[in-house]
Amino acid sequence: DTAVSQTPKYLVTQMGNDKSIKCEQNLGHDTMYWYKQDSKKFLKIMFSYNNKELIINETVPNRFSPKSPDKAHLNLHINSLELGDSAVYFCASSQGSKGGPSKNIQYFGAGTRLSVL
Amino acid sequence: AQSVTQLDSQVPVFEEAPVELRCNYSSSVSVYLFWYVQYPNQGLQLLLKYLSGSTLVESINGFEAEFNKSQTSFHLRKPSVHISDTAEYFCATLNTGGFKTIFGAGTRLFVKA
Repeated sequence: DTAVSQTPKYLVTQMGNDKSIKCEQNLGHDTMYWYKQDSKKFLKIMFSYNNKELIINETVPNRFSPKSPDKAHLNLHINSLELGDSAVYFCASSQGSKGGPSKNIQYFGAGTRLSVL
Repeated sequence: AQSVTQLDSQVPVFEEAPVELRCNYSSSVSVYLFWYVQYPNQGLQLLLKYLSGSTLVESINGFEAEFNKSQTSFHLRKPSVHISDTAEYFCATLNTGGFKTIFGAGTRLFVKA
């Protein structure tokens, strides 16, 4: 039973399209994250939600919009896809964003490889 | 502001040889340090962590890291690597508020037969 699961695993689409990636965690965690990993493996945080509240919103184009319907789910919608959006997107969760460093240990999904043609 | 620097982007090594992956941190407050590992086509997973107490921390698969305050380092070591250790390794810390993990650029460990 996968702890952090994201769908789809692969996403190939044309420039200008709109797409969504879904993430679910069954760990009972309060905090969820979206990261972008480029071709050089550099990992950049995009967003974080704690109990459905946005707590981290890094400098990301407003074409990217996260949505958290409940604390177990964090979806990522991307409008008007561009070539530079091609990357692997990782969802992660942690026990909480506060309450000590051990609660920040990240549990990652397997990633969604997005290719924009 | 907290940050981590991984000094090597790639480390090739032969099987059964020892390895050290270097990480230096920058912090003016309490230091919490982590190593995460990313196997091919997978997400990251925690390898080991230093939060407090003993400066030498170990993982279940033979890796260890030592928190060195005077050298601001948290290098990862293994005395004898296996082919299966081939992966990307990320050093990480927490930001000042303790709610955001800051990752280094990663070091690719490539173990050759």
